[in-house]
Amino acid sequence: TQLLEQSPQFLSIQEGENLTVYCNSSSVFSSLQWYRQEPGEGPVLLVTVVTGGEVKKLKRLTFQFGDARKDSSLHITAAQPGDTGLYLCAGPAYSGAGSYQLTFGKGTKLSVIP
Amino acid sequence: DADVTQTPRNRITKTGKRIMLECSQTKGHDRMYWYRQDPGLGLQLIYYSFDVKDINKGEISDGYSVSRQAQAKFSLSLESAIPNQTALYFCATSGLGGLTGELFFGEGSRLTVL
Repeated sequence: TQLLEQSPQFLSIQEGENLTVYCNSSSVFSSLQWYRQEPGEGPVLLVTVVTGGEVKKLKRLTFQFGDARKDSSLHITAAQPGDTGLYLCAGPAYSGAGSYQLTFGKGTKLSVIP
Repeated sequence: DADVTQTPRNRITKTGKRIMLECSQTKGHDRMYWYRQDPGLGLQLIYYSFDVKDINKGEISDGYSVSRQAQAKFSLSLESAIPNQTALYFCATSGLGGLTGELFFGEGSRLTVL
């Protein structure tokens, strides 16, 4: 079973601070996705990383895929209240009959205090 | 209007009752999914469907059934609801399968079983 472990589970910071959240596995993933879920809504895709060592930037968010493709991190610079939400990482896991389905980590719940 | 619509958004029911959650999509995607979200447990896959004639069990299908009435419609049923099925349920679609397909989620259906 390919499991994704996210840390920390909860994070509460002041507006303007920087933060990093992590997604780790003992298994190699061909790609990883990061989603953000705001209260009362479904998750929305932020980014997909596919190459070991890859770094992608989305405004103040920086995503990195580990060289061995077993881990990923999300760094937020100068956090804002609008960044508040549940951050989920997800990767394809073999589900039989030649197909893969996304498996999700348990998420990091981020609160940015004004 | 949302591309993935779930009804009802909230439902309170009693143990033993039959419940149906409905999902419709306007994205034209073939692949549809039902996930369950519990606090601290992330998203768990219940059932998925690659087309109208295809239904597959996910990791937690016991106690649930599904029907794919059309390309755009995928419903989830609880034949005899029990309290530990109290959770937030999400429908999702994908235009691509495999390793990097993005999931598009509905806004969720919150089910409470008393």
